[in-house]
Amino acid sequence: DGGITQSPKYLFRKEGQNVTLSCEQNLNHDAMYWYRQDPGQGLRLIYYSQIVNDFQKGDIAEGYSVSREKKESFPLTVTSAQKNPTAFYLCASSIRGLAGRNEQFFGPGTRLTVL
Amino acid sequence: KNEVEQSPQNLTAQEGEFITINCSYSVGISALHWLQQHPGGGIVSLFMLSSGKKKHGRLIATINIQEKHSSLHITASHPRDSAVYICAVRYRGGSNYKLTFGKGTLLTVNP
Repeated sequence: DGGITQSPKYLFRKEGQNVTLSCEQNLNHDAMYWYRQDPGQGLRLIYYSQIVNDFQKGDIAEGYSVSREKKESFPLTVTSAQKNPTAFYLCASSIRGLAGRNEQFFGPGTRLTVL
Repeated sequence: KNEVEQSPQNLTAQEGEFITINCSYSVGISALHWLQQHPGGGIVSLFMLSSGKKKHGRLIATINIQEKHSSLHITASHPRDSAVYICAVRYRGGSNYKLTFGKGTLLTVNP
């Protein structure tokens, strides 16, 4: 089955630790995205990548880093510089092109709690 | 600031009722998406539209470009329709890859 997987579903970390969230897709999509969701707020774009070895900052990139070494994978690292890392993180992908006009497929999400 | 407003924030209905969720936006768009988020957190894309109307099963999405407004209708609602429904738009002239999301409408359908 084609789709997007994110692991783990729940993640707990101590304050000050970096943590990496996994996102893998087998849809052969060129574009991938990371969003953050907080209670009472809409999804906000952290980073996106249109193609391997290229990525762009979204609206709230501070305290996060990404890599895109393979088409299938777009891991997100939440660094200790992120002031409020506790949130629900969603990964998505779409075919290359105008993302707003192309359907985005979402992963199941990872709920990160920093203690 | 380009925003997406959804109404209502919360909606409770009885099984079988006709449901309408509204979305309004502030400036011209090139596409509007309706998404469904289940209690577990996963998001599914329901519709993408730039004009007119689309129908899929019991779901109908309409958009009025002149009024900058879209509606999502659910006919013969069922408890399994209980979810958060999210509207998202790509503003014309904005980044090709940026969607602006509404805060969502929490729908609860009681049996």
